[in-house]
Amino acid sequence: AQKVTQAQTEISVVEKEDVTLDCVYETRDTTYYLFWYKQPPSGELVFLIRRNSFDEQNEISGRYSWNFQKSTSSFNFTITASQVVDSAVYFCALRGTGANNLFFGTGTRLTVIP
Amino acid sequence: SQTIHQWPATLVQPVGSPLSLECTVEGTSNPNLYWYRQAAGRGLQLLFYSVGIGQISSEVPQNLSASRPQDRQFILSSKKLLLSDSGFYLCAWSPLAGPYNEQFFGPGTRLTVL
Repeated sequence: AQKVTQAQTEISVVEKEDVTLDCVYETRDTTYYLFWYKQPPSGELVFLIRRNSFDEQNEISGRYSWNFQKSTSSFNFTITASQVVDSAVYFCALRGTGANNLFFGTGTRLTVIP
Repeated sequence: SQTIHQWPATLVQPVGSPLSLECTVEGTSNPNLYWYRQAAGRGLQLLFYSVGIGQISSEVPQNLSASRPQDRQFILSSKKLLLSDSGFYLCAWSPLAGPYNEQFFGPGTRLTVL
């Protein structure tokens, strides 16, 4: 069974603070893929990153960074020096081998206060 | 470049009325297509996916149906809407079968059933 848990329902930070969004997953597949999406108030999901289970190297893209740790089944997302435009709901998702769909967590609503 | 369109953007329908939501993809051929529903404050639930014309797989038994009359067209329908059908409906596409490609989402349709 596939499952994604985002325990943080809502987070509020003051602009320029760093914030980490947690994602814990469950799967029996040895090959799987993890994703992060951003959903701004407009509603459209914006793809941020994909990670496969064989690549535990952390990734940085501008102010965004991702920490993938298979030992703890976590794929956490950190925003450095947060900005008001980062305010959105962020979803972590999992796709297993042979699966046709993404299993989404329930999302974390991030509010960045100016 | 590829683009995905959904319409209408918003819809208010009475209980018992029919529904037709349309999704089209441009700039690619033979995409996998997906319909998701997002209930208020919750994650995304996969409703249907399609790997080709006329091929529909249903993930959750419900009051809805889907059809794919053309390669890049995906339609979500209902003969009689229920109150519980209210939500945000997202169409998505992925370029290849299998788990290694991320899904790209359309702008969504916000449906309110009264």
